[in-house]
Amino acid sequence: EAGVTQFPSHSVIEKGQTVTLRCDPISGHDNLYWYRRVMGKEIKFLLHFVKESKQDESGMPNNRFLAERTGGTYSTLKVQPAELEDSGVYFCASSQGLHYNEQFFGPGTRLTVL
Amino acid sequence: AQSVTQPDIHITVSEGASLELRCNYSYGATPYLFWYVQSPGQGLQLLLKYFSGDTLVQGIKGFEAEFKRSQSSFNLRKPSVHWSDAAEYFCAVGNSGAGSYQLTFGKGTKLSVIP
Repeated sequence: EAGVTQFPSHSVIEKGQTVTLRCDPISGHDNLYWYRRVMGKEIKFLLHFVKESKQDESGMPNNRFLAERTGGTYSTLKVQPAELEDSGVYFCASSQGLHYNEQFFGPGTRLTVL
Repeated sequence: AQSVTQPDIHITVSEGASLELRCNYSYGATPYLFWYVQSPGQGLQLLLKYFSGDTLVQGIKGFEAEFKRSQSSFNLRKPSVHWSDAAEYFCAVGNSGAGSYQLTFGKGTKLSVIP
């Protein structure tokens, strides 16, 4: 069974540009999470989808970030326009059910904003 | 707000030595507690979790952790470290409130293993 995949693995963009990160969860997992780790800091929660609905987006830093999960399968996280402080590693995770079932993490996308 | 503290940023141990990674949490109710490991180029992998019951939890790869409510701690242990255990380890706490299953992570502890 394939795990959580994320694309791209690395992205280097200039301040003001737009970047879209993609996450493909494990097939059949209704829950999809986005987290971010800024260098030297904790991994922080961004948002949680249940199928195509946003269950909790309390961690989204500002309106430059837009997450979608059309059809309840893969998800995209768009940053527009990117700022220097958006640099970090963006992790996606997926899980089954409506409790603290194991969240399976992808390898992350390393975003560098110059 | 809940928080997790991992006081050790980097630990180095010799192969075969015992290991203890510290984790303290701040949370008002009974927490859901997790340890994850991230090897280079990989995603985070769940080592073990504690929800309730026996406070000594066994995990994969020979790891165990003990929940101590009085100390607000959930330290990870392994009796004999292998070179393949070199990785970064994250302690996390889950919000037991309804609806949101987000995890709050510590800053991580990087483990180096000397052959």
